[in-house]
Amino acid sequence: KNEVEQSPQNLTAQEGEFITINCSYSVGISALHWLQQHPGGGIVSLFMLSSGKKKHGRLIATINIQEKHSSLHITASHPRDSAVYICAVRDYGGSQGNLIFGKGTKLSVKP
Amino acid sequence: EAGVTQFPSHSVIEKGQTVTLRCDPISGHDNLYWYRRVMGKEIKFLLHFVKESKQDESGMPNNRFLAERTGGTYSTLKVQPAELEDSGVYFCASSQVPGETQYFGPGTRLLVL
Repeated sequence: KNEVEQSPQNLTAQEGEFITINCSYSVGISALHWLQQHPGGGIVSLFMLSSGKKKHGRLIATINIQEKHSSLHITASHPRDSAVYICAVRDYGGSQGNLIFGKGTKLSVKP
Repeated sequence: EAGVTQFPSHSVIEKGQTVTLRCDPISGHDNLYWYRRVMGKEIKFLLHFVKESKQDESGMPNNRFLAERTGGTYSTLKVQPAELEDSGVYFCASSQVPGETQYFGPGTRLLVL
């Protein structure tokens, strides 16, 4: 079992829908990252958080340290949001760069 | 400001050959990371440089992989000799401060035949 699990693996939505992607982890962490990988392959860092909630535009990320769970929400989804969303954690005992990644959630937003 | 760049974007080589991947981090970023994603699996950490020093190389799969960062600027990752299971996408990332937001390069797609 991977230390970082994401659900769902695949998600298809209609434009305008509210989307939630979940991430659960089994290790103690010092930070959690949400990343976006576009069809062309490039990876963009969306959020890094260690507590509470962060918001950027239509994206909201929350984390519950006690429950070892994070969610990424997309409001008013748009076809350009179609991408793979990856959750990654920094193990509390690990080095600063050693991120542990989930397998990603492939999101497809239909017009 | 230029982002993280990687070269080449694609490489197709035969088993037993040598390949060298290059990563140019964002200027001023002392921290440089290598990751790789093999087909169907999650991205895995390979190693972390702070300037020219290897801070953590716990993710390097075996001694066929050699990473260097002479001068603390760009980094190279050499695979010698390449094996079929080395195929995948190799990502490089950099950050100004360890543990903070990492900026990823576009990746190098390696196919070993």
